[in-house]
Amino acid sequence: GNSVTQMEGPVTLSEEAFLTINCTYTATGYPSLFWYVQYPGEGLQLLLKATKADDKGSNKGFEATYRKETTSFHLEKGSVQVSDSAVYFCALMEERGSYIPTFGRGTSLIVHP
Amino acid sequence: DAGVIQSPRHEVTEMGQEVTLRCKPISGHNSLFWYRQTMMRGLELLIYFNNNVPIDDSGMPEDRFSAKMPNASFSTLKIQPSEPRDSAVYFCASSVLGESYEQYFGPGTRLTVT
Repeated sequence: GNSVTQMEGPVTLSEEAFLTINCTYTATGYPSLFWYVQYPGEGLQLLLKATKADDKGSNKGFEATYRKETTSFHLEKGSVQVSDSAVYFCALMEERGSYIPTFGRGTSLIVHP
Repeated sequence: DAGVIQSPRHEVTEMGQEVTLRCKPISGHNSLFWYRQTMMRGLELLIYFNNNVPIDDSGMPEDRFSAKMPNASFSTLKIQPSEPRDSAVYFCASSVLGESYEQYFGPGTRLTVT
């Protein structure tokens, strides 16, 4: 079956630090990959996505590149802000079969001023 | 567009009572998902509808849980009888099957069973 593994948190950084949150996946087919973000008290919302190998998704200064050879989709940001404090979820969706997404456990990010 | 709407936002009830959570998906979306989120278990998929038909309910914890989607604009998740271990945040999400597969989540219902 499909699975998504994320680094455990919390990740604690100072403002303007570089962020990496690791995500690796296992899939039977050729999935689309997603990063969702959940701010306190809210539902998840899509941050970025990539649909094929070597695609780079980007949004709000965050980036992730679909690496088929390493089955990875690591999230990066060059300079984090306090407002980036949230929980980040890596997810995959195979465009066939049951169309049920697979989510990682989530990684909490705390950014201090 | 209003986004996915869930009600109530907070629910506190006593063990043994019936609880009904409600969801209105985004207009035009044909897939609807119910999730449960806890610290211990993370985000769990409970049930998934496609074109108002339940496709996969293997995540429903037990017979106390039931879900319906009588039409394209409304779904309910019912717990009867409720137990303290049902305390969690319940999310509804909708998407368009066959397009980007992005899921649009509602704000969630925080359920506390005492």
